[in-house]
Amino acid sequence: GAVVSQHPSRVICKSGTSVKIECRSLDFQATTMFWYRQFPKKSLMLMATSNEGSKATYEQGVEKDKFLINHASLTLSTLTVTSAHPEDSSFYICSAGVGVRTDTQYFGPGTRLTVL
Amino acid sequence: AQTVTQSQPEMSVQEAETVTLSCTYDTSESDYYLFWYKQPPSRQMILVIRQEAYKQQNATENRFSVNFQKAAKSFSLKISDSQLGDAAMYFCAYSPGANSKLTFGKGITLSVRP
Repeated sequence: GAVVSQHPSRVICKSGTSVKIECRSLDFQATTMFWYRQFPKKSLMLMATSNEGSKATYEQGVEKDKFLINHASLTLSTLTVTSAHPEDSSFYICSAGVGVRTDTQYFGPGTRLTVL
Repeated sequence: AQTVTQSQPEMSVQEAETVTLSCTYDTSESDYYLFWYKQPPSRQMILVIRQEAYKQQNATENRFSVNFQKAAKSFSLKISDSQLGDAAMYFCAYSPGANSKLTFGKGITLSVRP
């Protein structure tokens, strides 16, 4: 149990295009999901908290118009990187809490984004 | 604001030996949760162990155990009988409660010598 998937696992896009990353909880419902960004050999940086049926809460310094988050159902949250630029190239990871133990987060496998 | 500190960037251990990874944190809360996550080269974050602050008993999961010192705000991870598959980056993390964001330490890279 407690499986979180992400799609795609890797994406390469041209500068100026938009990319959508999906995060799904496969065997549980998640009212809250989290999106992180990670640079090589570095820690995870929280970008935003995604709440089902309401607007996401963004961390300070994260551009909400650039990183659009939608949590349309209890099993799906999406992160759209709009007008991507090479500096947006990174590893993006989502996580979700499970059932009554929502104090514990389980992570998706991550998405490697490369912007050319 | 809560902070999590992992001061050792790298450690190495001989296979079958024991290693301890250090973590300290700062919070004004009395009830919270602490975690150790493992990130192998695949970059999939894997939960290693979880500790509830109100529990005095140290959590254990097979070869993994913690030394939780609440007054000292210390939360170290001990890996016994180290295996080659334990080689990874390990992150200490703090959460104030359900559906709350995690605060991560900088991580420590553990290598295991055969």
